[in-house]
Amino acid sequence: QSALTQPASVSGSPGQSITISCTGTSSDVGSYSLVSWYQHHPGKAPKLMIYEGTKRPSGVSYRFSGSKSGSTASLTISGLQAEDEADYYCCSYVSSAVFGGGTKLTVL
Amino acid sequence: EVQLVESGGGLVQPGGSLRLSCAASGFTFSNYDMHWVRQAPEKGLEWVSSIGTAGDTYYLGSVKGRFTISRENAKNSLYLQMNSLRAGDTAVYYCARAETTVTTGGYTEYFQHWGQGTLVTVSS
Repeated sequence: QSALTQPASVSGSPGQSITISCTGTSSDVGSYSLVSWYQHHPGKAPKLMIYEGTKRPSGVSYRFSGSKSGSTASLTISGLQAEDEADYYCCSYVSSAVFGGGTKLTVL
Repeated sequence: EVQLVESGGGLVQPGGSLRLSCAASGFTFSNYDMHWVRQAPEKGLEWVSSIGTAGDTYYLGSVKGRFTISRENAKNSLYLQMNSLRAGDTAVYYCARAETTVTTGGYTEYFQHWGQGTLVTVSS
């Protein structure tokens, strides 16, 4: 499997909303695979933010939401906060896992 | 509380070997598929290998034949034996517990629990 395609960086001001896209193919994101999203602060363990495409784990803010259209999945963060600044990765699993290249979110 | 603690990282010369361990606690280890994911310096996350509850194994193409994943359920431990190491294997290695979801076409997995990682540096 090839890495999924994410924008290298996105930015937004506090209170704004941003969307990170994750583009794959009909064999991964566009298949029965359900995308998960991870937040990663340098030096820390990655944190699951969205699973099965749209579900939030307990403890994750309602400001994080996931969606999918065709072979593109998206992570939307509303009401941006300074603490949201981190790297974000999508992941598709079809017999093995493949991650996106990662998106650096900067909160201006 | 689920805990995953990696160990065994360090500095090794190209061509050398290293064995990573991941000690699991807080859950029934034998019931879960387990994975290794790595992050090279200034790079993104990269899936490396996985082992199922039945001992079935899967590998990233570039490590196949060099790395061996294994588990010892009696010790609640996951391992990654890394041989013929290359500079490109330099990374922080994380172990992760997989959650499995049955879908219309098969099944899919995601990672809710991760360790803090162990750094492997391959350099002369």
